[in-house]
Amino acid sequence: RKEVEQDPGPFNVPEGATVAFNCTYSNSASQSFFWYRQDCRKEPKLLMSVYSSGNEDGRFTAQLNRASQYISLLIRDSKLSDSATYLCVWSSASKIIFGSGTRLSIRP
Amino acid sequence: ETGVTQSPTHLIKTRGQQVTLRCSSQSGHNTVSWYQQALGQGPQFIFQYYREEENGRGNFPPRFSGLQFPNYSSELNVNALELDDSALYLCASSSGGPDQPQHFGDGTRLSIL
Repeated sequence: RKEVEQDPGPFNVPEGATVAFNCTYSNSASQSFFWYRQDCRKEPKLLMSVYSSGNEDGRFTAQLNRASQYISLLIRDSKLSDSATYLCVWSSASKIIFGSGTRLSIRP
Repeated sequence: ETGVTQSPTHLIKTRGQQVTLRCSSQSGHNTVSWYQQALGQGPQFIFQYYREEENGRGNFPPRFSGLQFPNYSSELNVNALELDDSALYLCASSSGGPDQPQHFGDGTRLSIL
């Protein structure tokens, strides 16, 4: 079993839709979580950190469920520019694990 | 504020050769991490340097080695190159350790013939 698992997608949704991704992790050691966005042939860019109490940044909401060991990302009112691969990240004091990414495609 | 810069952008090598990739961290960042990203995969953590010491390592063999300099820039060295080493190599910097957000450079695309 991979340490961090994501549904690879692709998710193909219409503009304006709400879409959610989950990411499961297997290591329950003290850790931090992030969502990154990666456009085709570009470097990953930090989208948001994920806090235990959940956090929101505009149209994006991140949640952490430690009991079930998953994090989620919700995108509301999706835009064409949201089309990208979304990577979840688990990190500890000495290790950083990226998921394989979930591809999202927003259609007009 | 200067972002993370990597050099070279592209490189072609043959099996058995050695390669050195370079990374300048974002100003104010003292931690550098290196990743290997194959097509269609997420970045795989190679190792991280914090204040010139290796601070964590992923599942990569010893022929992958690194350095961090007093100005926090870093090098990734790979010996005895194999065909499977063909990938995008990403460097990321952060302040304070691996549990902090990473800021990535554009990467070096390495092709092994």
